[in-house]
Parts: sequence; structure tokens; C-alpha cells
Amino acid sequence: RKEVEQDPGPFNVPEGATVAFNCTYSNSASQSFFWYRQDCRKEPKLLMSVYSSGNEDGRFTAQLNRASQYISLLIRDSKLSDSATYLCVVIMRGDSWGKFQFGAGTQVVVTP
Amino acid sequence: EPEVTQTPSHQVTQMGQEVILRCVPISNHLYFYWYRQILGQKVEFLVSFYNNEISEKSEIFDDQFSVERPDGSNFTLKIRSTKLEDSAMYFCAGTGSMNTEAFFGQGTRLTVV
Repeated sequence: RKEVEQDPGPFNVPEGATVAFNCTYSNSASQSFFWYRQDCRKEPKLLMSVYSSGNEDGRFTAQLNRASQYISLLIRDSKLSDSATYLCVVIMRGDSWGKFQFGAGTQVVVTP
Repeated sequence: EPEVTQTPSHQVTQMGQEVILRCVPISNHLYFYWYRQILGQKVEFLVSFYNNEISEKSEIFDDQFSVERPDGSNFTLKIRSTKLEDSAMYFCAGTGSMNTEAFFGQGTRLTVV
């Protein structure tokens, strides 16, 4: 079983629409959660950390559900520039900071 | 904005050759990492490095791999005898302290032929 699983997509989203997707993690002792964004053949860039109470950053909202072991990302009012692969990242309890477990990513394509 | 710089951007090498991938982390960073991403696959942790020694390494990071920070600025990943399956994008990353954002370099694409 994969440590971190994501729906690969692609999610085809009309500009201005809302898109949401989840990521499940297998280790219940996971302690830190993030969403990263990766453009084609580029480096991952931090989009946002995910806090237990849920958090919002502009058009982006992240949620954590520890009971069901998943995190989610919602993008409102999608822009063409939101087209990218969104990577779910988890740090397992006991692992050192920076030892990220990456999901394979969810591709989002925003269309005009 | 400060950035992590990696060189070269693309390296082609013959199987069995040694390669050294170089990274210049952000100057006030203390923790350093190497990750790799095989084309079409997920990003995988290789090794973390702090205070001039390896903190943690993955199963991928076998005896063929080594890291060092020889001059306090460059952070290098060496692969002694490359294999075809080492072909991947290699990302260097760093953080200033625990629980802070990790910044990734733009990557070195290694192609082993």
C-alpha cells in the first residue's frame, strides 16, 4: 500500500470554477501535511501547510481529516495559472523534518 | 527572493561513470536534502544532511551515493558508478530550521546512457 495516495487526474476545470481533490495517507502517526505545486519539469513549490483546524490562503482551502486519514485541497475561482500538478506531502511521526513523503500528484488543467 | 541553485541543469553520462551534482543552498539554511524524481513518478527522498553529517537516508541511497558540503557553501551529491535506472531529476532542498518551509532547487536532469 502506498504511503500517500492521490487521484492522478487530470481534473479539467473551466476557468472560474471550483475544484477539490483529496489525498489519503496510510500512516496514522503522520504529523505534518502540506500541499506543494509542481509545474511541468520544474521543482516543487510550497503552496500551503495543512493545519488540524483547516486553513485558507486566498482562493485555496486545505483541510485535514485525521479520523479518515486524508487531506483535501479546494481551489475557488480557478485561474489558467492554477494549471499544475498538486503534490500531497506528509511527514511521518518519528521522521526527521524535511523527510517528505510525496504523493504522485493530482494534475489540474484549467481551461478558458 | 533567495533561491537554491543547482548545476548543471542537465547532465548526460555513460553507464558506470561517476557524476557529481552540485547545489548552492540559501545562505542561512542549515538542513539540506536531496530528492529525486524519475520521469512520470513521484518525488522520492534520498538523504538529509545537517551539521556536516547525514541525518537520515532512504533505501535508495546505497553505497553508490554520497553527499558532502566541502566548503560550507556547495552541497554535492555523488553517484560513483551510474546505472540506467539512476536517470531522473535530482532536486536539492534546504530549510533554515526545523518546522520551516523547504525550498527546492530547479533540479538537475541526469540521463544515463
